[in-house]
Amino acid sequence: KAGVTQTPRYLIKTRGQQVTLSCSPISGHRSVSWYQQTPGQGLQFLFEYFSETQRNKGNFPGRFSGRQFSNSRSEMNVSTLELGDSALYLCASSGTLGLSEQFFGPGTRLTVL
Amino acid sequence: QQQVKQSPQSLIVQKGGISIINCAYENTAFDYFPWYQQFPGKGPALLIAIRPDVSEKKEGRFTISFNKSAKQFSLHIMDSQPGDSATYFCAATGNTPLVFGKGTRLSVIA
Repeated sequence: KAGVTQTPRYLIKTRGQQVTLSCSPISGHRSVSWYQQTPGQGLQFLFEYFSETQRNKGNFPGRFSGRQFSNSRSEMNVSTLELGDSALYLCASSGTLGLSEQFFGPGTRLTVL
Repeated sequence: QQQVKQSPQSLIVQKGGISIINCAYENTAFDYFPWYQQFPGKGPALLIAIRPDVSEKKEGRFTISFNKSAKQFSLHIMDSQPGDSATYFCAATGNTPLVFGKGTRLSVIA
């Protein structure tokens, strides 16, 4: 079974721009979660989607949004980028065991200049 | 509010030694405690996990010890190898989004 894939792997943007990241979960997994990883804050939960509906949301500003498509693929969008948004953005998918068992993709490294 | 506290931040162990990483949690609703291993340029990978109905779980050289009353759990890596050099994260969940510790950077030196 193919793992979680994320595209692109690297992105460089400037302040004020917006960005869209994509995640394809493991085949058959319907839950997709997004995390932000930074050296200072570690891994922080952004949101979770299940069957195209946002089921959980972390404590991030409204500039961070996401969606899930009928094939379970998910995208997250960050608008009006700030320098502090520079991070590794990780996507994780979950199957029948729910959020207790999550499989992570390699991440998208976003650099905001 | 950090709900899972992990220590130490970094750890250097001789090859063949035992690596020990500790975590403490606050939320008694947590019922699943996984450990993740992350190599540079990769996403975290599930290493081993435990539920609070057992006090210890062993898989190969990796052991989780769990103390429910103290709300603490730890990862022991026996016979540590240079290939174990990575960042290790403890986490906790109650079928809710994972709450992660801040991570421990392990370096195993020959």
